[in-house]
Amino acid sequence: GQQVMQIPQYQHVQEGEDFTTYCNSSTTLSNIQWYKQRPGGHPVFLIQLVKSGEVKKQKRLTFQFGEAKKNSSLHITATQTTDVGTYFCAGESAGGTSYGKLTFGQGTILTVHP
Amino acid sequence: DGGITQSPKYLFRKEGQNVTLSCEQNLNHDAMYWYRQDPGQGLRLIYYSQIVNDFQKGDIAEGYSVSREKKESFPLTVTSAQKNPTAFYLCASSGQTNYSPLHFGNGTRLTVT
Repeated sequence: GQQVMQIPQYQHVQEGEDFTTYCNSSTTLSNIQWYKQRPGGHPVFLIQLVKSGEVKKQKRLTFQFGEAKKNSSLHITATQTTDVGTYFCAGESAGGTSYGKLTFGQGTILTVHP
Repeated sequence: DGGITQSPKYLFRKEGQNVTLSCEQNLNHDAMYWYRQDPGQGLRLIYYSQIVNDFQKGDIAEGYSVSREKKESFPLTVTSAQKNPTAFYLCASSGQTNYSPLHFGNGTRLTVT
């Protein structure tokens, strides 16, 4: 079945440093979504990428979708303590018959030291 | 205010007992999902339903059962056949369009001893 690998599992940074998490799928994706889960909370949708090579920005966050639509990354510039949480990628296989059936990566737990 | 309500937030059960987790949404979403979250393993799909009276197994359906009698409700039963039921359970819903994002409830933390 489809697998989505996400690295690193943990990342500790000093406030102001940059952070990147990477996501790789075993199959070509129709789209990839990114979610953030604050400690003790539930995942919250951040963004969706659909096109090959797509790049989207949300303030200090930059999301990329690979040309082959099998990998993605999330980069945060100048981290802040409010960025603390677990970041998940979730992909939907291309050509699948069940829309909305996302496979999640294991998540990257980000800790920001003030 | 539209959203997904999961209850209760914490649930404790003895081994061998079935337990049902509630999930209700008022977003008018057709699709609903149950995920299980364990430390270091991300979210794993248990069951999902794209329409009332229909549902499909996800990646880890063994030991679980669901029903979808109403559009708003998608309860999950954790049966005694589930070998490691202690986990954080998340319910989600999405609209009936391609690539709709998931809206999650606050989750239920189940502890079985």
